[in-house]
Amino acid sequence: QKEVEQDPGPLSVPEGAIVSLNCTYSNSAFQYFMWYRQYSRKGPELLMYTYSSGNKEDGRFTAQVDKSSKYISLFIRDSQPSDSATYLCAMKHFNKFYFGSGTKLNVKP
Amino acid sequence: GAGVSQSPSNKVTEKGKDVELRCDPISGHTALYWYRQSLGQGLEFLIYFQGNSAPDKSGLPSDRFSAERTGGSVSTLTIQRTQQEDSAVYLCASRGEAYNSPLHFGNGTRLTVT
Repeated sequence: QKEVEQDPGPLSVPEGAIVSLNCTYSNSAFQYFMWYRQYSRKGPELLMYTYSSGNKEDGRFTAQVDKSSKYISLFIRDSQPSDSATYLCAMKHFNKFYFGSGTKLNVKP
Repeated sequence: GAGVSQSPSNKVTEKGKDVELRCDPISGHTALYWYRQSLGQGLEFLIYFQGNSAPDKSGLPSDRFSAERTGGSVSTLTIQRTQQEDSAVYLCASRGEAYNSPLHFGNGTRLTVT
């Protein structure tokens, strides 16, 4: 069993839709949770970073962590074609980072 | 300020040749990580540096792979006697000293072994 599971997609939505991206994890010791966005031929770019259970909002993006269920989500409101990318979840424990395999999102104009 | 810089951005090499990939982390970042990303795959951890030492090199796939870091800054990843299965994007990331600092990535080196 992988430590971090993420549906690879692809996920295709119309412009303006609300997008929900999710990851589950197996290690309850994971403490810090991140979402990265990766455009084609670019490195992953940090989008959201959170520690505690609950919601964290930044513009159109909301990161949600449920430690009791070992489940994290990223919501994108009013999705735009420029949001089309691969989204990677990541978790930190001590000095190691554990990544999901990424969900490819396509937002159609 | 400047982000993580990697060079070259693309490298095509013949099977059996050695290659060196370079990473220049964000100034002041003490921790540096190397990952490999194959087409359509997730990130595979290779090695982690704290300063100039590598407390975790568990992800290096074989003894053909080595990495070093000098002056607590620039790092090079060397692949000897390259094989076609080494073709991938090699990503470098750095982070600050605080325990909760996230990773910041470069744009990677796309390695193609022919």
